[in-house]
Amino acid sequence: QSALTQPRSVSGSPGQSVSISCTGTSSDVGSYNYVSWYQQHPGKAPKLMIYDVTKRPSGVPDRFSGSKSGNTASLTISGLQAEDEADYYCCSYAGSYPYVFGTGTKVTVL
Amino acid sequence: EVQLVESGGGLVQPGGSLRLSCAASGFTFSGYEMHWVRRAPGKGLEWVSYISTSGSTIYYADSVKGRFTISRDNAKNSLYLQMNSLRAEDTAVYYCAREEKDGYNFDYWGQGTLVTVSS
Repeated sequence: QSALTQPRSVSGSPGQSVSISCTGTSSDVGSYNYVSWYQQHPGKAPKLMIYDVTKRPSGVPDRFSGSKSGNTASLTISGLQAEDEADYYCCSYAGSYPYVFGTGTKVTVL
Repeated sequence: EVQLVESGGGLVQPGGSLRLSCAASGFTFSGYEMHWVRRAPGKGLEWVSYISTSGSTIYYADSVKGRFTISRDNAKNSLYLQMNSLRAEDTAVYYCAREEKDGYNFDYWGQGTLVTVSS
């Protein structure tokens, strides 16, 4: 099972919007509406930001949103803030494997 | 409050063994499926292994199959990862993670324990 493909880095100024793509295959992202996104600050544990493609856990700001089309999922951060600077990983359920993570994207707030 | 606390990491020589533990508290451990996930230096997250609530169903990533063994003790609220035949590429921070009940995501993570495989 190969890792899902994410851009290595994205950047934006405070207040701007950035989007991170997550491309998989018909065996993972394309087959299941079980894509989740995790934020990880240096030296910290990953934190669940989005699950089931579009849902936000309690406490996650509504500037974080998710979507999916075909084999590609996306995370959008609207109104970028300094504390959003972190690494972001997508993850998809993949049936019997059963999970595959993305390659990771570093978000930089300029 | 849900807490997951990993322990057991350290420096080990190639070919050696190590046993990681994850102590769970703040929730009914026996009711949740659990996972190990790792992050190698300079690399991304990699799913490593899964165990069902009873321990009857187990999965491994291809990269560790045949070398790592996941287990759990519901009476002790603990998750384990026995790692044998360790390789340099197993060097990583290892996290235990809880799978959301009836969900397909990892809703709680421990802080991780560092495993370094080097001579």
